Amino acid sequence: EVQLVESGGGLVMPGGSLRLSCTLSGINFNDAWMSWVRQAPGKGLEWVGRIKSRGGGATVDYAGPVKGRFSISRDDSKKTFYMDMNSLDSEDTAVYHCTTVQSVLHPVFNSWGQGTLVTVSS
Amino acid sequence: EIVMTQSPVTLSVSPGERATLSCRASQSVSSNLAWYQHKRGQSPRLLIYGASIRASGVPARFSGSGSGTEFTLTISSLQSEDFAVYYCQQYDNWPPYTFGQGTKLENK
Repeated sequence: EVQLVESGGGLVMPGGSLRLSCTLSGINFNDAWMSWVRQAPGKGLEWVGRIKSRGGGATVDYAGPVKGRFSISRDDSKKTFYMDMNSLDSEDTAVYHCTTVQSVLHPVFNSWGQGTLVTVSS
Repeated sequence: EIVMTQSPVTLSVSPGERATLSCRASQSVSSNLAWYQHKRGQSPRLLIYGASIRASGVPARFSGSGSGTEFTLTISSLQSEDFAVYYCQQYDNWPPYTFGQGTKLENK
């Protein structure tokens, strides 16, 4: 069974930084592509960014609102993905889910973590 | 960026009845369309991808159809556990992957 567990959320001041982590088990981590998807309070789902497998070049893409502020990385030895979030503002307040990406042909989000809440507030 | 628009925003249906949810893309996404179910307090769940392919473990009462810009998710006979928010998502032109704003399916 695929399991994703996020951690690192919390309360942060506007302009501050936070690092989210996501550990993956149940599938071959080295081949896994992974995305972060967030949901702001009362809003819908919003894709944040995606990292390919190391074999796929570990290429990362970001959504416009976070480009230049967020950075996604992976540590295959620890089976963990990370998202470093900088210059946070209230618009970044959301539950952040890490997800696996099903395949290159169908890059949909087939397994989800329970999410970690990030609150940006003074 | 492709904009996904879902309708209706809220759909009221009784258990046992059929529910039909719609999703429209601002430009063609071919069949690169997924549907997710999101229940309160739970993580979203992939239901359909490739516009009509059921994900692993998804009951046969869920079906997807459409291509290009118009898509439909049909739940043939609603069960109590199906009341949730449903999102469509395109993955034809990315980044970014874009979601619709969601349709809340509620018990009539």
